[in-house]
Amino acid sequence: GDSVTQMEGPVTLSEEAFLTINCTYTATGYPSLFWYVQYPGEGLQLLLKATKADDKGSNKGFEATYRKETTSFHLEKGSVQVSDSAVYFCAHTNTGNQFYFGTGTSLTVIP
Amino acid sequence: KAGVTQTPRYLIKTRGQQVTLSCSPISGHRSVSWYQQTPGQGLQFLFEYFSETQRNKGNFPGRFSGRQFSNSRSEMNVSTLELGDSALYLCASRGTGGASHEQYFGPGTRLTVT
Repeated sequence: GDSVTQMEGPVTLSEEAFLTINCTYTATGYPSLFWYVQYPGEGLQLLLKATKADDKGSNKGFEATYRKETTSFHLEKGSVQVSDSAVYFCAHTNTGNQFYFGTGTSLTVIP
Repeated sequence: KAGVTQTPRYLIKTRGQQVTLSCSPISGHRSVSWYQQTPGQGLQFLFEYFSETQRNKGNFPGRFSGRQFSNSRSEMNVSTLELGDSALYLCASRGTGGASHEQYFGPGTRLTVT
């Protein structure tokens, strides 16, 4: 069935380091792909999305490219900041009616 | 535009009791989904309502139920609470048209069952 697998955390990086969080998905057809971010004590916020193969979603310095051939949507940022410390969730949906989320990757950025 | 609101934000209940959580979607959004978030399981989909009808349901026991009102506000009810029901319950609303695949989440209700 449909699912999302993302890299286990927690991830700890120094400020200005390069970030990659891996995400692969299993889905029928051509799903839309998302990254959400959750800051402590808050709900999830949409970070970026891609709706078709080879699309690149980007926001706040984060990027992810929809790779249909590898069924992946890895999240990257060239230089992380302390304020990026949060939990990141990869997700997909085919119909928009049901979303499938990964288990989340906790990121801590230290000064 | 106001975001998704959930009430209450925190709740403590005893095993065997029941609880009702409320979610008000973004104005104009007709779809409301509910999720259970726990450290071990991540986000688990409970159900989705659209125009007062349950459109999708996840793999949760019948103790978990919901409804949606004509103004799109939604409630979720859990009966006969168990310790394992302790979790953050998130609701998300979704619009229609081109952005219909974008979900907007509320801050959640933290339920603790003792």
